[in-house]
Amino acid sequence: EVQLVESGGGFIQPGGSLRLSCAASGFTFSSYSMNWVRQAPGKGLEWVSYITSSSGTIYYADSMKGRFIVSRDNAENSLYLQMNSLRAEDTAVYYCARDRPQGESDYWGQGTLVTVSS
Amino acid sequence: DIQMTQSPSTLSASVGDRVTITCRASQSISSWLAWYQQKPGKAPKLLIYKVSSLESGVPSRFSGSGSGTEFTLTISSLQPDDFATYYCQQYNSYRYSFGQGTKLEIK
Repeated sequence: EVQLVESGGGFIQPGGSLRLSCAASGFTFSSYSMNWVRQAPGKGLEWVSYITSSSGTIYYADSMKGRFIVSRDNAENSLYLQMNSLRAEDTAVYYCARDRPQGESDYWGQGTLVTVSS
Repeated sequence: DIQMTQSPSTLSASVGDRVTITCRASQSISSWLAWYQQKPGKAPKLLIYKVSSLESGVPSRFSGSGSGTEFTLTISSLQPDDFATYYCQQYNSYRYSFGQGTKLEIK
């Protein structure tokens, strides 16, 4: 059974840093591209970042570029999102999602909540 | 970046109704469009990919159509379990983007 489990969320002050993790199981993690998607409270889905299976290609949404860093460890079946210089508007549930080869996201984690507030 | 615009933002309907949600892209995305269903407190669920391909296990009352810049999601006969929020997503460019969502409410 495919499972994605996010962790690392919590309460952080503006300007702080946080590292999210996504533990994958039930599939060959090293064969799939992965995404981070976030959802602010009561709002819609917002794509955050994309990373290919080998980490050879990485993309970020403009509002996260330069502050967020996505990475993965295929040996550990894990995806990461390092979030720096956090702002109140980064408050959201962060989901990791698996991409099929053509690009649709077929499995999602349950999400981890990040709250940025003073 | 490609902008996705859904309409309506909210839709009130009754069990048994046929409903259609529209999604427009700011530029052509060929057939790289997916639809997701999300219920409160849950992760999104993939319903349809590549415009009209039904994800395994999704009821056949869901269907998708369109091409280029205009796409639709149709639910042929609403069931109680279908009341949720629906999002379109383009994956033509690796800078993915979602529509703002359509909340389907019980009339």
